[in-house]
Amino acid sequence: DAGITQSPRHKVTETGTPVTLRCHQTENHRYMYWYRQDPGHGLRLIHYSYGVKDTDKGEVSDGYSVSRSKTEDFLLTLESATSSQTSVYFCAISETGARGELFFGEGSRLTVL
Amino acid sequence: EDQVTQSPEALRLQEGESSSLNCSYTVSGLRGLFWYRQDPGKGPEFLFTLYSAGEEKEKERLKATLTKKESFLHITAPKPEDSATYLCAVNQAGTALIFGKGTTLSVSS
Repeated sequence: DAGITQSPRHKVTETGTPVTLRCHQTENHRYMYWYRQDPGHGLRLIHYSYGVKDTDKGEVSDGYSVSRSKTEDFLLTLESATSSQTSVYFCAISETGARGELFFGEGSRLTVL
Repeated sequence: EDQVTQSPEALRLQEGESSSLNCSYTVSGLRGLFWYRQDPGKGPEFLFTLYSAGEEKEKERLKATLTKKESFLHITAPKPEDSATYLCAVNQAGTALIFGKGTTLSVSS
């Protein structure tokens, strides 16, 4: 199994509080992605990274920011969480980007009350 | 406008009852179509990549095919352990995958 660890796996927070989700990989893959998965919407891309300090927006990036200061870590931050950001968040990594296979983490379930 | 549409949303089969899942796409310049399997509470797991019309890939009871407008995931003589959500995704612009909403398959013994 690809070495991907997401933390925390579960979090309950209140509206307006900041939240940071962490994705850590041990595969030294160049590309890292954050997706959210919601019933009726499937997996939607939030942000992705194609190298250290190189990131770009995805389909649903509003309200989210990311940072990648090291190859192995990709952080997703909700500056001020809203109830619409209640979701399951998945991190994925890839050696070749979207041309090849993505390896997914186990997911982080976030509930914003 | 959805770029990747999967049907049906849900499918119930008896063990041994073969069937197919459909993934239709409207993207231009397809750079790869991917099938993933997702078990409850888990992240998606890669199954196949198809790059050109006419291409086929097989793995155990699963076979994926690709045309210019759609892909099929054929399941032959399914078993209960094949129960999962199957996701289709396409690579359009080369940066990230666009996923469909998935087909949830339930196989009963």
